[in-house]
Amino acid sequence: AQSVAQPEDQVNVAEGNPLTVKCTYSVSGNPYLFWYVQYPNRGLQFLLKYITGDNLVKGSYGFEAEFNKSQTSFHLKKPSALVSDSALYFCAVRDDSNYQLIWGAGTKLIIKP
Amino acid sequence: GAGVSQTPSNKVTEKGKYVELRCDPISGHTALYWYRQSLGQGPEFLIYFQGTGAADDSGLPNDRFFAVRPEGSVSTLKIQRTERGDSAVYLCASSLIGGGATEAFFGQGTRLTVV
Repeated sequence: AQSVAQPEDQVNVAEGNPLTVKCTYSVSGNPYLFWYVQYPNRGLQFLLKYITGDNLVKGSYGFEAEFNKSQTSFHLKKPSALVSDSALYFCAVRDDSNYQLIWGAGTKLIIKP
Repeated sequence: GAGVSQTPSNKVTEKGKYVELRCDPISGHTALYWYRQSLGQGPEFLIYFQGTGAADDSGLPNDRFFAVRPEGSVSTLKIQRTERGDSAVYLCASSLIGGGATEAFFGQGTRLTVV
């Protein structure tokens, strides 16, 4: 069965510091991995995705994520956090035989000035 | 349109009533998804349309839930005999094609409250 785990309910980072939001996954086939961000009272916004190839993918707003097949992880990263990055972040996965996206429970990212 | 549009943004209904939630996807997107999101959780898949047909409705919780997309564009999620447990944010998403590596674009959701 497919599953996604975001082990941290909340991550606190000081502005200007690097940030990491963790995600691990389980799928039976080849994984397609996604990160979305949700601001209060707004819809989910696509940040980036991993399909194949380079394990480091770059996305919107300076975010990047690193795919690690052996650890089945897809952690979201940013070198220097901004207060405006504070939001709810979701990791999602599907494999190449499914249409459904399976979602993690989300991680609340708080960036303090 | 510029993005996925969902109406209404908020809906309060009494237990036992019927509700319809509307989704207008991005123009040209053939794939359309409905998800449900409860507080503190990630979205939960309900149904996927490819064109006019429901290609996967395995996420619909029971036969009170039904969705249509008659012309392959706008979709309506219909809930009969609403229950308090149906209260959630209902999200609609569309993508150029379905599945695989294609990212979906989400509307702002309809917050349904059953009282």
